[in-house]
Amino acid sequence: DAGITQSPRYKITETGRQVTLMCHQTWSHSYMFWYRQDLGHGLRLIYYSAAADITDKGEVPDGYVVSRSKTENFPLTLESATRSQTSVYFCASSGGPTDPFSDSEAFFGQGTRLTVV
Amino acid sequence: AQSVSQHNHHVILSEAASLELGCNYSYGGTVNLFWYVQYPGQHLQLLLKYFSGDPLVKGIKGFEAEFIKSKFSFNLRKPSVQWSDTAEYFCAVKKASGGSYIPTFGRGTSLIVHP
Repeated sequence: DAGITQSPRYKITETGRQVTLMCHQTWSHSYMFWYRQDLGHGLRLIYYSAAADITDKGEVPDGYVVSRSKTENFPLTLESATRSQTSVYFCASSGGPTDPFSDSEAFFGQGTRLTVV
Repeated sequence: AQSVSQHNHHVILSEAASLELGCNYSYGGTVNLFWYVQYPGQHLQLLLKYFSGDPLVKGIKGFEAEFIKSKFSFNLRKPSVQWSDTAEYFCAVKKASGGSYIPTFGRGTSLIVHP
């Protein structure tokens, strides 16, 4: 099915463990984003990617690592999870300057609810 | 960098009341503007968007928004809300040129509609 999918939908992990959240999109969008959503803060950008092998920090990158070896995948890794990283994580994608529909909105995945205990 | 301000953090209305949610942005250049809705437990979905042309934009479910360039505003309106409109609403802005394709979101407005 076309779209953007995240996995897992729910995850409970312990402090100090490494966790990877997966994101896959089928549109071949150039841009992909990771946001975290917390009460009172709205959506905050963690990392983004303009194309395969091109990533950059957003507003709150500390404690996170991303990679993008293929256009369609953009995993987010918490290297050593902390309780402050308990949040809902959303992946999104949108067209870029080389895409047919560069002036497009961002499309969001269903989110991953991560709890760090 | 651009920023987005949503003035109303929490709004409580009764069914059939009119709704207006404020959104202001700080970037002075040409922008693309969006309103997203997030129903409880769900992901963000696009309500409407403005790229160019008529500043009054109509979206899904009876929502509309007006772009006022001189005021850097993109307020969301609905003449008569329903209980099913209970959700979180996010305004977002993206530069229309200059190579930045990163949308910046406001903090969101929580809307509760009482039946």
